[in-house]
Amino acid sequence: EAQVTQNPRYLITVTGKKLTVTCSQNMNHEYMSWYRQDPGLGLRQIYYSMNVEVTDKGDVPEGYKVSRKEKRNFPLILESPSPNQTSLYFCASSLSPTGVGEKLFFGSGTQLSVL
Amino acid sequence: GDSVTQMEGPVTLSEEAFLTINCTYTATGYPSLFWYVQYPGEGLQLLLKATKADDKGSNKGFEATYRKETTSFHLEKGSVQVSDSAVYFCALSRNAGNMLTFGGGTRLMVKP
Repeated sequence: EAQVTQNPRYLITVTGKKLTVTCSQNMNHEYMSWYRQDPGLGLRQIYYSMNVEVTDKGDVPEGYKVSRKEKRNFPLILESPSPNQTSLYFCASSLSPTGVGEKLFFGSGTQLSVL
Repeated sequence: GDSVTQMEGPVTLSEEAFLTINCTYTATGYPSLFWYVQYPGEGLQLLLKATKADDKGSNKGFEATYRKETTSFHLEKGSVQVSDSAVYFCALSRNAGNMLTFGGGTRLMVKP
């Protein structure tokens, strides 16, 4: 089954404790991205990747890191989480850029709470 | 910068009622337009899309027409069902870009 898998589904942590949210897709997609969802703001892109070792900032990259060492994996790293990073996070992938009308496949989300 | 504005919810309808969720956008050029749906506890799924002016996207009884002159992409369905209860997001993506710009989402609740 084609899917984007994120882990963990729920995460509670404390300020400053480094964490990683994993993301993996089994569709051989070139493009992967991370979004955060906040009430009333919709989803905002954090980072995206066009291929292995190629990443770029989205709209809200501050406080986040990513890496793309393998085509299928795109982990999101919070080196020193702060309470304003409490949010619902989604990983997504696509075969082509969304600008040509390509659809995104989303993971099920990771609810992060930073205390 | 690019932006998407959609009506705030929640929108509460009775089963078989007509649905309209308004969406307007601001963007340079000719973006691709999308409607995504999020069911409780799940990620977003593409509902429909349109990539050029006057295109109509349709799926599962939902429709939306890309109106360049009014910069709008309103979502409509003639007869909603309880199973349509979800949050609906309007979004755009710049030509050749790889980022979706989302509206704030509209929660739809359909009562039997």
